[in-house]
Amino acid sequence: EVQLVESGGGLVKPGGSLRLSCEDSGVTFSDAWMSWVRQAPGKGLEWVGRIKSKADGGTADYAAPVKGRFTISRDDSRNTLYLQMNSLKTEDTAVYYCTRIDYYSYYGMDVWGQGTTVTVSS
Amino acid sequence: DIQMTQSPSSLSASVADRVTITCRASQSISSYLSWYQQKPGKAPKLLIYAASTLQSGVPSRFSGSGSGTDFTLTISSLQPEDFATYYCQQSYSTPYTFGQGTKLEIK
Repeated sequence: EVQLVESGGGLVKPGGSLRLSCEDSGVTFSDAWMSWVRQAPGKGLEWVGRIKSKADGGTADYAAPVKGRFTISRDDSRNTLYLQMNSLKTEDTAVYYCTRIDYYSYYGMDVWGQGTTVTVSS
Repeated sequence: DIQMTQSPSSLSASVADRVTITCRASQSISSYLSWYQQKPGKAPKLLIYAASTLQSGVPSRFSGSGSGTDFTLTISSLQPEDFATYYCQQSYSTPYTFGQGTKLEIK
C-alpha cells in the first residue's frame, strides 16, 4: 500500500523560505504524477501544483498564487517529492498535503499524505 | 482557469436521508471530475473519479453522475460516518481547481 509522509513544515517569517518533503513508500513513485494541495485554516482545498513523471517529461505546473515563488521537484532515487517555497507570505499559511495523481482515475488524487503545517508569521 | 461552483455550501440532514450535492464547471471538463470527502483534522479521501466511478473500498451508497459542466454527488442513505465536508475537483486542465466545499451536518 502506498503511503505518503510529508515533513518540513514549521514557522517562518514573511519573505522567508521553507522546503517540504514527501516520501513515498510505494514501489512505483518514479511512474507517478504527484501534486501538492494546501488548506488554509478553516478554508477549502487549494491545488498548488503538479509534477509529471520523468517518462512524461517531468514538467511542473503551478497555481497562479504560487507561480514564480514555489518549485516542485522530485528525486526518484529517494522516492521523494519536494516543494521549495520562497518569498513566503502570510497567506501561504496552511496545511500542505502531497498527493499521488492516478492516470487511470482520470487524474484523480487517490493517495494523500497526512499533511504538514506551514505558518508564515512575524 | 476553470471555476468550480458547488452547491449548497452547507446542508443539514438526518441519518437515512438521501442527499445530493451539485458541482458546476465554468466550461466543459468532459468527465474529468472527482469527489473527495474530508473529515475534521484528516486528509481528504477520494470517493469518486471520472465523474461516476466509485473508488475501491467506498460504500455503494455514494454515487456520482454528470458530464460536461454539471455534476452531482448523491448519498442514497446517510450514515453517521458520512457527516463531513465534500469537495469536487476538475482535472481536465491545470490548474486543477476545487469547488469551495459542501459541509454536511447532522440535523
